[in-house]
Amino acid sequence: GENVEQHPSTLSVQEGDSAVIKCTYSDSASNYFPWYKQELGKRPQLIIDIRSNVGEKKDQRIAVTLNKTAKHFSLHITETQPEDSAVYFCAASIRRGSTLGRLYFGRGTQLTVWP
Amino acid sequence: NAGVTQTPKFRVLKTGQSMTLLCAQDMNHEYMYWYRQDPGMGLRLIHYSVGEGTTAKGEVPDGYNVSRLKKQNFLLGLESAAPSQTSVYFCASSYSLQEDSRETQYFGPGTRLLVL
Repeated sequence: GENVEQHPSTLSVQEGDSAVIKCTYSDSASNYFPWYKQELGKRPQLIIDIRSNVGEKKDQRIAVTLNKTAKHFSLHITETQPEDSAVYFCAASIRRGSTLGRLYFGRGTQLTVWP
Repeated sequence: NAGVTQTPKFRVLKTGQSMTLLCAQDMNHEYMYWYRQDPGMGLRLIHYSVGEGTTAKGEVPDGYNVSRLKKQNFLLGLESAAPSQTSVYFCASSYSLQEDSRETQYFGPGTRLLVL
């Protein structure tokens, strides 16, 4: 099955700086890559996703890039704010037509943004 | 819409006891999932279902059973609880033909289980 590795496991940044979290995947057939954010004591929630037919996607201060050749994708958060502090999970999945595969999650990155 | 709900929110069991966790969704989703979350281990899939009456094993299925008798409900059972099953359990659902983003998984609030 798919294996998703995520780095770093912890990341501390100063407010206003950028944060980058990287993930690699093993199955070249994977074509859907979401990122979930989990605040302390809360449920994971989708913040952005990318499909393999695009290389980059942006949504305000967050962006995700995908390198299919190298089989890695990254989450970029610019102008970080204390409310960005949370655990971030990357995941990979295979979608074939209308058939959805299960998500394979990375182990998570604890991001702390210091004011 | 309530989205995805889970009961109970918190439970303490003694080793060997059994219990059932209930997940309910009102989004008409086809797929439902049970995950466990342990520190440093991320979200690990226990069992999942791609439709009413169907279930499949995930990566950590041992010690758990599931049933999906109704489309909106997904039950997770622990037949004989062990301390290693102390964890936070999340249910999730996805995939409705009416949604643009069919892959998005919506999570419940979680159930904290402590096995003594």
